[in-house]
Amino acid sequence: DADVTQTPRNRITKTGKRIMLECSQTKGHDRMYWYRQDPGLGLRLIYYSFDVKDINKGEISDGYSVSRQAQAKFSLSLESAIPNQTALYFCATRGNRDLDTQYFGPGTRLTVL
Amino acid sequence: AQKVTQAQTEISVVEKEDVTLDCVYETRDTTYYLFWYKQPPSGELVFLIRRNSFDEQNEISGRYSWNFQKSTSSFNFTITASQVVDSAVYFCAFGRGSSNTGKLIFGQGTTLQVKP
Repeated sequence: DADVTQTPRNRITKTGKRIMLECSQTKGHDRMYWYRQDPGLGLRLIYYSFDVKDINKGEISDGYSVSRQAQAKFSLSLESAIPNQTALYFCATRGNRDLDTQYFGPGTRLTVL
Repeated sequence: AQKVTQAQTEISVVEKEDVTLDCVYETRDTTYYLFWYKQPPSGELVFLIRRNSFDEQNEISGRYSWNFQKSTSSFNFTITASQVVDSAVYFCAFGRGSSNTGKLIFGQGTTLQVKP
């Protein structure tokens, strides 16, 4: 079984709808991250969390919110989706040590019409 | 501010050719980490390698090799005898060691197409 899972894997929605993307991990990591990928721009950080009480904005947090329900779960919400939020979204986890590597989920492809 | 540049947007080679993917980074940090990830057509991100700023030793893993040079702020990735299965988007990424937030700064990615 995959260590980092994301649901849904694909979603098509309409402008103005509220959308939640979910991420779960079995790696026991404290740190979790949400990135979005756009063609030609690489991945950009939306939000990150060190534990359930520690949530931080990334470089492109506007229009998004997150919830860390438990150590293993980190959800990303689009309160009112807009077309330029159409992208591939990745969740990632990482351990606490300096040398730890970041591991990514399979991604969620979101299309906002 | 930290920045990662992958100047090659797309590369196309014929199978069995060697190919080098370039990565240049900018930072004033003395402690940092560099990564390469592979994104095959299926979309997932696959971790390939991590390098620490204090370890410039080059690394080889099968057909893959990495050349880290602090003097030129580069962390290049070479695939020897490329195969069709190497076709993917490859990302270079930078992580700050001092802040230890674990945030990664990604380059724009290089799309590699290996033709049979």
